[in-house]
Amino acid sequence: DAGITQSPRHKVTETGTPVTLRCHQTENHRYMYWYRQDPGHGLRLIHYSYGVKDTDKGEVSDGYSVSRSKTEDFLLTLESATSSQTSVYFCAISESVSEAFFGQGTRLTVV
Amino acid sequence: QKEVEQNSGPLSVPEGAIASLNCTYSDRGSQSFFWYRQYSGKSPELIMSIYSNGDKEDGRFTAQLNKASQYVSLLIRDSQPSDSATYLCAVNRDDYKLSFGAGTTVTVRA
Repeated sequence: DAGITQSPRHKVTETGTPVTLRCHQTENHRYMYWYRQDPGHGLRLIHYSYGVKDTDKGEVSDGYSVSRSKTEDFLLTLESATSSQTSVYFCAISESVSEAFFGQGTRLTVV
Repeated sequence: QKEVEQNSGPLSVPEGAIASLNCTYSDRGSQSFFWYRQYSGKSPELIMSIYSNGDKEDGRFTAQLNKASQYVSLLIRDSQPSDSATYLCAVNRDDYKLSFGAGTTVTVRA
């Protein structure tokens, strides 16, 4: 993997609790992304960042917030987890309008 | 209409044959096109990128782009069992958002 670490790798949480997923990169890439992957839907963009403190919404941003206080870290927060947010979450990085490289993924289960 | 559409498959091909995967996209302003391979339980890995009309070859893989038809394809020649995976088409406009299709699952029969 291109210097991308996601944590945790697996998490089970209860409905209504807040959850934060972390993406850490060592490549100094400008752009960072959070995707979720569900059967039949492929990868859907949740939020992305184009610089420190610069973020924007993707196609499925409701119920999620993000923060990027340092180039290397991009946090995804589920303010109040719901069962519909059970999914596999991938972080990705890219340097320009070009290839994106993915982390190992986080499997989140909301019960 | 989805931004990026792929046939979901599964596509089953015999070992040694050519696997042909297709992808269409809706935004004429799209600039960059990618194919990712994803093994079950793993993260997507980039296998091909293409930016201009025509063909691009890399080993057993050939990507084809036709911007007028808003169509991008991937050919896998001499398919091997290790090629069995889901292949994701991705499209990028110039706003840094990479949009993915739902993926085509390929099974190579030994």
